[in-house]
Amino acid sequence: DADVTQTPRNRITKTGKRIMLECSQTKGHDRMYWYRQDPGLGLRLIYYSFDVKDINKGEISDGYSVSRQAQAKFSLSLESAIPNQTALYFCATSESGGTLLSTDTQYFGPGTRLTVL
Amino acid sequence: TQLLEQSPQFLSIQEGENLTVYCNSSSVFSSLQWYRQEPGEGPVLLVTVVTGGEVKKLKRLTFQFGDARKDSSLHITAAQPGDTGLYLCAGAHNQGGKLIFGQGTELSVKP
Repeated sequence: DADVTQTPRNRITKTGKRIMLECSQTKGHDRMYWYRQDPGLGLRLIYYSFDVKDINKGEISDGYSVSRQAQAKFSLSLESAIPNQTALYFCATSESGGTLLSTDTQYFGPGTRLTVL
Repeated sequence: TQLLEQSPQFLSIQEGENLTVYCNSSSVFSSLQWYRQEPGEGPVLLVTVVTGGEVKKLKRLTFQFGDARKDSSLHITAAQPGDTGLYLCAGAHNQGGKLIFGQGTELSVKP
């Protein structure tokens, strides 16, 4: 079984609709992240959470919100989807309190391909 | 602002050739990582380098961290079709902090 799962894997929606992408992890990590990937731009950080009560904006948080329901669950919402939010979205986790090598390593889910028409 | 510049962005080579991918920045990183991503999957960590000048080898892949910890390279010897994928470098500024990703290098190795 995968350690980091994302649902749905694919989603097509229309402009203005509210969308929620969900992420669950069984790695027991405190830290979770949401990224979007666009061709030629690599991965850009949307939001991150270092524990259940800690939520932080990343470099491109406008138009997105998140909820950390539990250590294992981190959801990303698009309140009113627009076409330029069409992208591949990844959730990732990392541990805290370990060595430099262990805390910087991120473990990614398989991604959600979102298309906004 | 892209703090990590990867080059080249696209690389198409024949099986058996050697290649080098570069990752450059004006910032100093506490560690730098290389990930590989295949279609339909998330990135998977290949290696982490933390010491300036450090060289790590993973079979036919050689990773180097620059002396000043601002840049890194990935060299693949005798590339194989199985090496095809998107290679991403990512830098961290402090322990357990956020990662900053490069744009990625799309590698295609033809048989």
